[in-house]
Amino acid sequence: EMQLAESGGALVQPGRSLRLSCTTSGFTFEDYGLSWVRQSPVRGLEWVGLIRRTNLGGTTEYAASVKGRFTISRDDSRKIAYLQMNSLKIEDTALYYCTLSSGSIENWGQGTLVTVSS
Amino acid sequence: DIQMTQSPSTLSASVGDRVTITCRASQSIYSWLAWYQQKPGKAPKLLIYRASTLESGVPSRFTGSGSGTEFTLTISSLQPDDFATYYCQQYSAYPWTFGQGTKVEIK
Repeated sequence: EMQLAESGGALVQPGRSLRLSCTTSGFTFEDYGLSWVRQSPVRGLEWVGLIRRTNLGGTTEYAASVKGRFTISRDDSRKIAYLQMNSLKIEDTALYYCTLSSGSIENWGQGTLVTVSS
Repeated sequence: DIQMTQSPSTLSASVGDRVTITCRASQSIYSWLAWYQQKPGKAPKLLIYRASTLESGVPSRFTGSGSGTEFTLTISSLQPDDFATYYCQQYSAYPWTFGQGTKVEIK
């Protein structure tokens, strides 16, 4: 069974940094691109960005709202993906999901909560 | 960015009803559209991709149709397990974007 588990969510002050991890099992990690999607009552579901398979260059795409502040990376040997979030803003408060996606999003983790507040 | 607009925002229906949800894109997304179901406290679940292809394991009462800018999700006979919030998502262009959701509630 394909499984994704996010961790690292926390309460953090505006301007600070946080790194989320996505630990995976049950599939060949290097065969998949991964996306991060967030959800909040205010902004609804919002795609954050993605990282392609390493054999496709491992390149990334980001939403404009996070570009330059957030970085997605992957460690194929450990089957983990990361979301490094810098210069956090109050509007980044959300439940963050790690997902397997080839466009449509086939598999989702359970989410990790990030709260940005002073 | 491509804007996705769902209607209605809320839909009240009874078990056995035929239900239709509409999703409109601000520009053509061809058939690059997915539908998801979300229940409280759970992650969204993929129902349909490529506008009309049913994800494995999803009941056949769910049907997707449309192309270009207008799409529909139809539930042919609403079941108790179907009361949830439904979202559309385009993946024709970055950034991928979602509709605001349609909550299907018990009448």
